[in-house]
Amino acid sequence: SAVISQKPSRDICQRGTSLTIQCQVDSQVTMMFWYRQQPGQSLTLIATANQGSEATYESGFVIDKFPISRPNLTFSTLTVSNMSPEDSSIYLCSVARGLGNTIYFGEGSWLTVV
Amino acid sequence: GENVEQHPSTLSVQEGDSAVIKCTYSDSASNYFPWYKQELGKGPQLIIDIRSNVGEKKDQRIAVTLNKTAKHFSLHITETQPEDSAVYFCAASISNQFYFGTGTSLTVIP
Repeated sequence: SAVISQKPSRDICQRGTSLTIQCQVDSQVTMMFWYRQQPGQSLTLIATANQGSEATYESGFVIDKFPISRPNLTFSTLTVSNMSPEDSSIYLCSVARGLGNTIYFGEGSWLTVV
Repeated sequence: GENVEQHPSTLSVQEGDSAVIKCTYSDSASNYFPWYKQELGKGPQLIIDIRSNVGEKKDQRIAVTLNKTAKHFSLHITETQPEDSAVYFCAASISNQFYFGTGTSLTVIP
């Protein structure tokens, strides 16, 4: 498995502001991902965080809104920019590890935008 | 792309009874099927997984079955306990891309 720590675990944010979420993994991993889980919904992949290069974004997600950094093999950040109430979600960091690249999730960052 | 459907969306069982959650997938190239349990206020936790070369896998009270021909897989929880109450997600994976079901909210009634 993997130990994945996310900060903050929870926050209430004012609309129009930006918040950066940090993800720290207990050991080096090649693949790190960021997911969004809107209230009562399933998991949607935002982007793959690539070490040393720009993140790969899924359809519907853009770098200007969700800039991602991946400075090394154990750490990544996701920024939610210019937040609106529609951005109220759980943001989950995940990593792929082991045979077949099983993915594991952090505890999530619960954001409420008011 | 892959489409994963999950049923039921909610499930209530009496403590000690069994619970079954079913998922179907559309792409026969999917070859890895994990299940996650998400308790309130927590991130999804991997509880069991199965690969396409295996038909069934068990881990204590939890089992997963896979029917590749029909393109469906199921999670079976026996002797349910109140702590099994959570939201369960299935997923299908192709080439390290994961596609998630919509979740099943399981309530175990003491």
